Amino acid sequence: DQQVKQNSPSLSVQEGRISILNCDYTNSMFDYFLWYKKYPAEGPTFLISISSIKDKNEDGRFTVFLNKSAKHLSLHIVPSQPGDSAVYFCAASGDGNNDMRFGAGTRLTVKP
Amino acid sequence: DTGVSQNPRHKITKRGQNVTFRCDPISEHNRLYWYRQTLGQGPEFLTYFQNEAQLEKSRLLSDRFSAERPKGSFSTLEIQRTEQGDSAMYLCASSSPRTGSIYNEQFFGPGTRLTVL
Repeated sequence: DQQVKQNSPSLSVQEGRISILNCDYTNSMFDYFLWYKKYPAEGPTFLISISSIKDKNEDGRFTVFLNKSAKHLSLHIVPSQPGDSAVYFCAASGDGNNDMRFGAGTRLTVKP
Repeated sequence: DTGVSQNPRHKITKRGQNVTFRCDPISEHNRLYWYRQTLGQGPEFLTYFQNEAQLEKSRLLSDRFSAERPKGSFSTLEIQRTEQGDSAMYLCASSSPRTGSIYNEQFFGPGTRLTVL
C-alpha cells in the first residue's frame, strides 16, 4: 500500500533557481514528516523534518512546507546547486511510530 | 568514523543459501532499524529494536527473515533459503529519541547489496 507518494520521478532545474519537490500522503495518522537525500552507493542522508503542529520548517537553503488538509508536503531548495543533484525521498510516520513509510523518490538534477 | 556501518557492502549468493548481514549503529543510539530497498522504490521498513528488544517485526517479509540485536549494540539480519526476489539493498538505520520528544530522525548506513543468483 503506497501511503506516501512522490509522483514526479525526476526534476531538472538550473543552478541558482528554486527546486520544488512534492510529496502526498494518504494516512491521516502521520504526524512527522522527513526528507532524505541519497547519493549513489550511499545510504539516505537526513535533510530536514517537520511535525504536524507546524506548517513550515526552514534550515538554510532548505524549507519544508506541510499542508495537512491536502495531505501534501513539499521541499524547496533555494538557490539550487549542482551538489544538490541526488534522489530525494519523502518519509512519514505516525504517533511516534517507528514504522516510517517512504515515497519512491524524485531524482533531482541541477544543471550548472 | 562515527556513522552507521554495514557489512558486507556486497553479497552474491546462490538461491537456497542463507545469508547474514551485520549493522553497527551510532554508538549512543538505542534504536536500530532494518529496511529493504528495491530498484526505483524507497526504503521499505522491515523491523526495529529498542536496545535489545525487537519491538516490531510484523513487517518482516516472510518467516525466512529474522533479525537479532543480542546485546543492544550491533544487529544481524538473516535471510534463510534465499530466493531471487530477495535481491535488493538492505539498509540499516539508527536513532536516539530527543529528550521530551517522540520524534526522531533515523541515520542510515551505506547498505548491503544482495544479489541472489
